[in-house]
Amino acid sequence: EAQVTQNPRYLITVTGKKLTVTCSQNMNHEYMSWYRQDPGLGLRQIYYSMNVEVTDKGDVPEGYKVSRKEKRNFPLILESPSPNQTSLYFCASSLSGTGFNEQYFGPGTRLTVT
Amino acid sequence: AQTVTQSQPEMSVQEAETVTLSCTYDTSESDYYLFWYKQPPSRQMILVIRQEAYKQQNATENRFSVNFQKAAKSFSLKISDSQLGDAAMYFCAYRTPLLHGNKLVFGAGTILRVKS
Repeated sequence: EAQVTQNPRYLITVTGKKLTVTCSQNMNHEYMSWYRQDPGLGLRQIYYSMNVEVTDKGDVPEGYKVSRKEKRNFPLILESPSPNQTSLYFCASSLSGTGFNEQYFGPGTRLTVT
Repeated sequence: AQTVTQSQPEMSVQEAETVTLSCTYDTSESDYYLFWYKQPPSRQMILVIRQEAYKQQNATENRFSVNFQKAAKSFSLKISDSQLGDAAMYFCAYRTPLLHGNKLVFGAGTILRVKS
C-alpha cells in the first residue's frame, strides 16, 4: 500500500530533551516536507526537501532540523524542544517538487512538550 | 505573500442538505493550484478536490464541487446531500509551481458539523 508513515504518533516529552520524529514514504517520491498544525493557523511548512541533495527552510524552521540521507526517509529533529513546539506535525511527500503533483500526508504526530 | 482566508470558523448543515464553505486567497501569481482538504477526527489529511487556475471549468468530485472565481480570488466548496461522514475540519489550500518550497499555503480551517 502506498503510504507515508510517521513515528511516533503521540509523544509527550520535557523541555530540552532531544527527539526525532521519523517519516518514511514507499512511493519513490522525490519531494518531502514537514508541516505543523496549530489551532487558528492551519498548517505551516517547517522544512522541505526537493530531493536527497536539496533541503531548505519553510516558513517556521526555528528550533527544527531535518535530514535527507536517503530518498524514502525525512526525519524531523528537535534538538532542544520547548513548549511552543507543542503541536500536531505532518510529513508529506509528492512525486516531485514542481508541477501539479498531489502531496500525500502521513497520519500526523501529536507532540506535547512540558 | 500568499495568504488563504477561511472566514467561517464553524458551519452546520442538516443531513441531506447542501452547504458551502468559503475561501479567499491573495496572490499575484497567474498560475497556481487550489485544493480543499478534509481532516476528520482521525486527523488524516484527505484531498477532497483540486482546481488548476488556468482551467475555467469548476472541478467536481461526486457530491463535492467548487465555485472558482479567479478575478475575485474566491474558491468555495459546495457539499451536496451532506452525510454524517462529511463532518470534519476542512482546509482550503493554495500552491504555485513557482512558490519557493512547493509548499501548500493553508487557511485556518472550517469545522463542519452535520446534524442528523
